[in-house]
Amino acid sequence: SYELTQPPSVSVSPGQAARITCSGDALPKKYAYWYQQKSGQAPVLVIYEDIKRPSGIPERFSGSISGTVATLTISGAQVEDEADYYCYSADRSGNLWVFGGGTKLTVL
Amino acid sequence: EVQLVESGGGLVQPGGFLRLSCEASEFTFSDFWMTWVRQAPGEGLEWVATIKEDGSEQYYVDSVKGRFTISRDNAKNSLYLQMNSLRAEDTAVYYCARSVGIAAAGVDYWGLGILVAVSS
Repeated sequence: SYELTQPPSVSVSPGQAARITCSGDALPKKYAYWYQQKSGQAPVLVIYEDIKRPSGIPERFSGSISGTVATLTISGAQVEDEADYYCYSADRSGNLWVFGGGTKLTVL
Repeated sequence: EVQLVESGGGLVQPGGFLRLSCEASEFTFSDFWMTWVRQAPGEGLEWVATIKEDGSEQYYVDSVKGRFTISRDNAKNSLYLQMNSLRAEDTAVYYCARSVGIAAAGVDYWGLGILVAVSS
């Protein structure tokens, strides 16, 4: 089965850049999507197709891809950005989708 | 604004069944693939199943194959998940989500989720 690997936690101080990685063998061929989930809430899309930001998502959220690693960067992280972040993508066949294990971002 | 509203969850005994529904509005339902995602208590997100716009193709995570069936009724703007032979490990909040991108690469809008609890 296919897996996407994320670090369990990332911690930064307010104003610092937070970087969350997602590693998967099919990422050079398949887009990565990123979701923010705050406690008790449904996930929210923050990056799609590796690098694109939906309308309404602050500009401090950006995405990048290098080989088998997709990265979500929050430039100048704020306290309100504390949440769990998940990457999502398909395997090489395109018929099986997976989420990464999630990364808990702490900003303090 | 896109709306997705799940219903049909609740408490069921192991071996039992439930049918989840998701009513979609504010977009052309028949133009989009649709997906179910679940989240066990205190755990991460898990993709469960995806269905093509016309219902002709369905895909499932291995752990639910043969037990769950995803379907849709485009005339009713509704998505369904028939869950049979339920197990304790199926206990989760189930989210209905709209798939987007080439070959349903991602999901964009989510419902609020509905809780399914499997316990005796």
